[in-house]
Amino acid sequence: EAGVTQFPSHSVIEKGQTVTLRCDPISGHDNLYWYRRVMGKEIKFLLHFVKESKQDESGMPNNRFLAERTGGTYSTLKVQPAELEDSGVYFCASSQVMGYSPLHFGNGTRLTVT
Amino acid sequence: TQLLEQSPQFLSIQEGENLTVYCNSSSVFSSLQWYRQEPGEGPVLLVTVVTGGEVKKLKRLTFQFGDARKDSSLHITAAQPGDTGLYLCAVVYSSASKIIFGSGTRLSIRP
Repeated sequence: EAGVTQFPSHSVIEKGQTVTLRCDPISGHDNLYWYRRVMGKEIKFLLHFVKESKQDESGMPNNRFLAERTGGTYSTLKVQPAELEDSGVYFCASSQVMGYSPLHFGNGTRLTVT
Repeated sequence: TQLLEQSPQFLSIQEGENLTVYCNSSSVFSSLQWYRQEPGEGPVLLVTVVTGGEVKKLKRLTFQFGDARKDSSLHITAAQPGDTGLYLCAVVYSSASKIIFGSGTRLSIRP
C-alpha cells in the first residue's frame, strides 16, 4: 500500500506570507493527525481528524493555523500569516483505529519562515 | 512538565555494546508505543506494549512495560550502526484522541 505522503517536502517563506501543507493519508484510514516538531523540542500534537470531522484540535497553536480535511480524504494545514516561530517540521500521520493502531507517518514538511 | 520523560537525551556508543534507554511518566497508561525516526523521515512504529510487566523482543531489541504501566525501557544488545536514530516513546492520551510523544533519545552507534 502507498504510505502517507506530504507535500511539499520543504518550504521557505517570508514572515507574513501564507503556506499550505498537504497530507494524503493511507487509503482507508479514517484517522488523520498533524504533528509539529520545532527545533530541539519534542513532536507535539496539533490536531486529529476522524474522516472530515475535527476530533481534537487542542494542540493548534493559535488562529493563524487552519486545518481542513475535505471529504475525509486528504488534509491541508494552512498557516496565515506565518511567523518566525512557526518554523519546524510538520508531520502528518494516519491510522485505522483511533488511538489503538499504529500511526503511519509521512516524511514531513520542513517549513522555514525567514 | 512533559508527560513522558525520556533518558538519556543523547547516547553515543561503540558498535557491539549494549544499551538501555528509558521512558518515564507519573501517569498510568493503557498502552505504550516505541517508534524510531531516521533523518528526513517520519517515525516508524517498532512495538506496542499493553500489559504491565510485558516484555517484547524484536531481534536485538527488547522492550519492557513497567509493572505499574507508568514506564518502559528499550534494551539493545550488540548495537549496530544501523540502530542509529531517534527513539521515541508514545502513549494514547485524552480519550484515545491524542497520541503524545516523549522528547526522544538520539542514539549514535560508532563503527
